[in-house]
This record gives sequence, structure tokens and C-alpha cells, in this order.
Amino acid sequence: DTGVSQDPRHKITKRGQNVTFRCDPISEHNRLYWYRQTLGQGPEFLTYFQNEAQLEKSRLLSDRFSAERPKGSFSTLEIQRTEQGDSAMYLCASSLDGDSETQYFGPGTRLLVL
Amino acid sequence: LAKTTQPISMDSYEGQEVNITCSHNNIATNDYITWYQQFPSQGPRFIIQGYKTKVTNEVASLFIPADRKSSTLSLPRVSLSDTAVYYCLVVDSSYKLIFGSGTRLLVRP
Repeated sequence: DTGVSQDPRHKITKRGQNVTFRCDPISEHNRLYWYRQTLGQGPEFLTYFQNEAQLEKSRLLSDRFSAERPKGSFSTLEIQRTEQGDSAMYLCASSLDGDSETQYFGPGTRLLVL
Repeated sequence: LAKTTQPISMDSYEGQEVNITCSHNNIATNDYITWYQQFPSQGPRFIIQGYKTKVTNEVASLFIPADRKSSTLSLPRVSLSDTAVYYCLVVDSSYKLIFGSGTRLLVRP
């Protein structure tokens, strides 16, 4: 296992389209996190899963955003009816239970909404 | 929510020691303070974490005073490859993960 992977690495879409991103965590990690990062800012927490259960969602996660982790392994983040303000880097991270501060990040998916 | 403050940027020269401080109030009493490094177009990478006093690993040291209202990342003898953005990560009193806004370190030859 070489770490957390994300797909795609880049996505360009038109406003109003739906997009879906995938994250594959480190296999033995049962916690999985999604963050959003805009230029010049630190990552902003969006949501996290413990196994397949989504335990917390940020207020940043509007009703256009939905995340799933159906089998407790990979996760998907979907954005419906994208807006230009959704343009950002979307980062996924994973960690072991009880060690949420030691997270292993993927390379991110950079989204550009035109 | 906890509020974190880091210097926006720092300049240094190869071989110098660099200290980056993050101020953080209203953090959880029982959680670690963690620092990450991020290069362009990559996700953040774990550097070091601590609870209090001083922690040292092969790449950095972390100093945390008793009141835990700040933490200082110390990079000994920086090299050009240490040019990156450095973030502190804390857990606030509502158990939310909060990243700082980052310090952009530029190491010059």
C-alpha cells in the first residue's frame, strides 16, 4: 500500500454540472476525512467517517455536497449543481482510530468550475 | 471554535535554525498539537506532534508551553528542500479539527 490515493487529480467542469471524486485510504485506517483547501489557506474540514459511518459534517458542507463510504473502504465526495465558489483543492486523509491528529493525506483533486 | 494564528511567511538561509510559532486558544485539553508540511500540488505531510513540553524527532522539534496556548515548530539547519508551507493542527474544545492558515517558509541559498 503506497498511501492515500485520489482520483481524478484535476477536474474542470461547467457551472451547474455534478462532479464526483474518489478517495482510497490506507487500507488499515478506519477513519477517513475530506477537506477543502483554497489558495493561500489551510485545509478546512468538511466531513469524516469512521468505517462506513459518517460521524461529523461541517457547516461548510451544504446540501449540494454528499459523501459516502459504503463499505468502510474507499469514499466518494459528490458536488451537485457546481458553483464557481466550489473551485478548490479537495483533500482526503485517513488515520487510525484514536489518532485523528496523525493523518495521511492524498495528493488532492483540484476542481475548477467555469 | 479555536482560533489559530501563524505568521504568513518567513525567510531563512540554508543551515539556519527556523522557529515557527502557532498561537491557539480554546483548544481541547486532552488532544495533541500537530504540525504538517505542504509542498505545492501535494497534500499536507505529518511532521511532528506533541501534547506538552518538548518533543523531538529526526526532522524537527516541537515546544509546547504548559498553558498550551501556543506551539513552536523548530527546524534545525534548514535546506532548500524545506521551502514549503507549514501548518499547525489543533483540536478545539468542541473536538473539531482546525488547521492554521499556514506559514510559507522560503529557504535561500
